[in-house]
Amino acid sequence: QQPVQSPQAVILREGEDAVINCSSSKALYSVHWYRQKHGEAPVFLMILLKGGEQKGHEKISASFNEKKQQSSLYLTASQLSYSGTYFCGTETSYQKVTFGIGTKLQVIP
Amino acid sequence: NAGVTQTPKFQVLKTGQSMTLQCAQDMNHEYMSWYRQDPGMGLRLIHYSVGAGITDQGEVPNGYNVSRSTTEDFPLRLLSAAPSQTSVYFCASSYSSRIYGYTFGSGTRLTVV
Repeated sequence: QQPVQSPQAVILREGEDAVINCSSSKALYSVHWYRQKHGEAPVFLMILLKGGEQKGHEKISASFNEKKQQSSLYLTASQLSYSGTYFCGTETSYQKVTFGIGTKLQVIP
Repeated sequence: NAGVTQTPKFQVLKTGQSMTLQCAQDMNHEYMSWYRQDPGMGLRLIHYSVGAGITDQGEVPNGYNVSRSTTEDFPLRLLSAAPSQTSVYFCASSYSSRIYGYTFGSGTRLTVV
């Protein structure tokens, strides 16, 4: 069963922040986050494991609440290069990763 | 190091034809998966493998077969193509998905007429 992502689309001006949410009805081993540019393959951003940790690099970070089976991706001080579709992938059994329908993010000048 | 290689990049099939989408990786990755991507549907898992000789079904396995005879290759077979199988197909692999995530191939765009 696919995880549920929200919002489905968001438009930001450069420098603004955004949060993308991902939730699952099943217990999770891990949560992945990927970004896909138009016409390209998805690219891995980060993974969060059970334990409620928060990870990140530069201005993109994420958290995982394993009790609620929810994860959030935080993009701060957005740049034009952040535009794309963001997918969360949830691991519900060993190495079985299913993805949401994606969140389309557009950053405008 | 070529990464994850998918062939062909584009394919047009007639309804009822069969074909094999190829996926090969040269990174000694144990874990490999096939996804299809359709507008508004996100990425849907077709089949996945945790090692040579081991495969399992994903969310949308009907109409597709897989086998994993070697670590490097994970072909996806369409038994009798249907227009509903028109999609972009991605193969992905990982050495350890809980550390490195998945590396995706560039995709195969399949049209069934």
